Amino acid sequence: EAQVTQNPRYLITVTGKKLTVTCSQNMNHEYMSWYRQDPGLGLRQIYYSMNVEVTDKGDVPEGYKVSRKEKRNFPLILESPSPNQTSLYFCASRGPNSPLHFGNGTRLTVT
Amino acid sequence: RKEVEQDPGPFNVPEGATVAFNCTYSNSASQSFFWYRQDCRKEPKLLMSVYSSGNEDGRFTAQLNRASQYISLLIRDSKLSDSATYLCVVGDSGGSYIPTFGRGTSLIVHP
Repeated sequence: EAQVTQNPRYLITVTGKKLTVTCSQNMNHEYMSWYRQDPGLGLRQIYYSMNVEVTDKGDVPEGYKVSRKEKRNFPLILESPSPNQTSLYFCASRGPNSPLHFGNGTRLTVT
Repeated sequence: RKEVEQDPGPFNVPEGATVAFNCTYSNSASQSFFWYRQDCRKEPKLLMSVYSSGNEDGRFTAQLNRASQYISLLIRDSKLSDSATYLCVVGDSGGSYIPTFGRGTSLIVHP
């Protein structure tokens, strides 16, 4: 089944403790992206990647890192999480001329 | 900044009603257009792509007006299960588009 898989679904952590949210897709998509969604603000793009080893900042990249060492994986790294990074995160991927496919989301709480 | 604007609503309609949403975009070079549906705290899911000639899928009709730079979504015979947030997505070029999301329009269908 074609899908985008994010893990974990829920995560509660403390300020400053490094964490990684994984994202994997099995559709051989070149484009992958991370979004955060907060009430009243809609989906905001954090980082995106057009292909392996090619990543670019989105609208809200501060405090986040990503890597794209292989086509299927696009992890989101928070080196030192802060409470303002408490949010709902979505990973998405797409092929050429096709719509985005989203993962199930990761609800992160930073205390 | 390239913008995609939607009326946030909520649109509160009775079952059986017809409801229409509009979405305006600022980048005249945009070539890819989609409507997504998002249920509370779930991932956005593709409702339909929007084609230049307009397209229909059951009770849903999407239209594109390039001259006025907007897309629309018409829902006929609304069902309770149509209650959700509808996101407009616009891509800035062809196959390698970077999607821009509107903030979504909330629809509530009541008995």
